[in-house]
Amino acid sequence: AQKITQTQPGMFVQEKEAVTLDCTYDTSDQSYGLFWYKQPSSGEMIFLIYQGSYDEQNATEGRYSLNFQKARKSANLVISASQLGDSAMYFCAMIPGYSSASKIIFGSGTRLSIRP
Amino acid sequence: GAVVSQHPSWVICKSGTSVKIECRSLDFQATTMFWYRQFPKQSLMLMATSNEGSKATYEQGVEKDKFLINHASLTLSTLTVTSAHPEDSSFYICSARGPANNQPQHFGDGTRLSIL
Repeated sequence: AQKITQTQPGMFVQEKEAVTLDCTYDTSDQSYGLFWYKQPSSGEMIFLIYQGSYDEQNATEGRYSLNFQKARKSANLVISASQLGDSAMYFCAMIPGYSSASKIIFGSGTRLSIRP
Repeated sequence: GAVVSQHPSWVICKSGTSVKIECRSLDFQATTMFWYRQFPKQSLMLMATSNEGSKATYEQGVEKDKFLINHASLTLSTLTVTSAHPEDSSFYICSARGPANNQPQHFGDGTRLSIL
């Protein structure tokens, strides 16, 4: 079964601290893509970072990095030096397989709140 | 980077009205577009997938006569909520993807639909 699991419904973190958002996935496909999106209260879905299943190095984009542990099927998002503007809902997602028919699968999300 | 434009961002209308929502990919050709519905504090729920020039594929439980989808070009897809009723009130968000699955799926800013 294709599935994304985010076990943290909500997190509170002090400003400037690093934060790790957990994500595990399940797929029988050898090729897949993993994504993280941020959804602020205004509603738009903002793409943050991508990791391909064959990528050997962890993806990084500015303050975002993806801790990809393939054997454990985990793709945790790490935000370094958190900012107040990081407060939002975060969704882990996966596109299994590399066909045009593949649909993106979302986790249930983690609501991150940054305290000043 | 790639941008998806969704319009309108907010609609309030009377019950029985039909509402059209547009989704445009601004700087890439979207071979596949997706329409999602999101209830408060929940993840995105896929309603339908549309490929340019062909009929949309609806997810189970989604009424195709209620939610009409047209994907007439590689840059434009529309969702029409026909004879909308209060239970159709929701946040609708479109997404577009190019031909390669290792590209991120980009999202519009969403449309908040309120039916009185």
